[in-house]
Amino acid sequence: AQSVAQPEDQVNVAEGNPLTVKCTYSVSGNPYLFWYVQYPNRGLQFLLKYITGDNLVKGSYGFEAEFNKSQTSFHLKKPSALVSDSALYFCAVRDSNNDMRFGAGTRLTVKP
Amino acid sequence: ETGVTQTPRHLVMGMTNKKSLKCEQHLGHNAMYWYKQSAKKPLELMFVYSLEERVENNSVPSRFSPECPNSSHLFLHLHTLQPEDSALYLCASSQSPTAEAFFGQGTRLTVV
Repeated sequence: AQSVAQPEDQVNVAEGNPLTVKCTYSVSGNPYLFWYVQYPNRGLQFLLKYITGDNLVKGSYGFEAEFNKSQTSFHLKKPSALVSDSALYFCAVRDSNNDMRFGAGTRLTVKP
Repeated sequence: ETGVTQTPRHLVMGMTNKKSLKCEQHLGHNAMYWYKQSAKKPLELMFVYSLEERVENNSVPSRFSPECPNSSHLFLHLHTLQPEDSALYLCASSQSPTAEAFFGQGTRLTVV
């Protein structure tokens, strides 16, 4: 069965510094990988996805993610964090059965 | 806004009540989903509908009953719930198995 793991419950970074939110996956077949962000009292918002092609995927709000097949990882990155990036981030994987499974989420806090 | 609308936003119900959650999308998507989000737990996929037919039920208790009358609407009927069912219930839709999901803002359910 497919699954994703987000090893960090919490990530703290200073504004202006680069940020990384980690995700590893386990799936049979080709992985379809996604990142979502959730602000307080809101639903999830799509950030970016990897289906095929370039391993570096660029998404909304300056975020990008790197697909690494050998390490089965799909870490979310941003070169320079903003205070407004503070939110809950979810990694997700979908397989050919059309199931989308989410990680437990990582709370990102960007301090001024 | 994502194009997926959920009502009500908040719901408080007793354990003997019957209520329904509503989800609506006019994005032309073929698949719709119900997720449960509890504190400090991964999002739980509850039900998947594809082309108005239920394709997955992740061992959800029968006190939750979904209904998909057409491709734009999805309901979750609730009866005799338990306090542990209190959570944020999220509806989502997607165009295809590889596409990202668009989420509604959720219904915050409290069972008393």
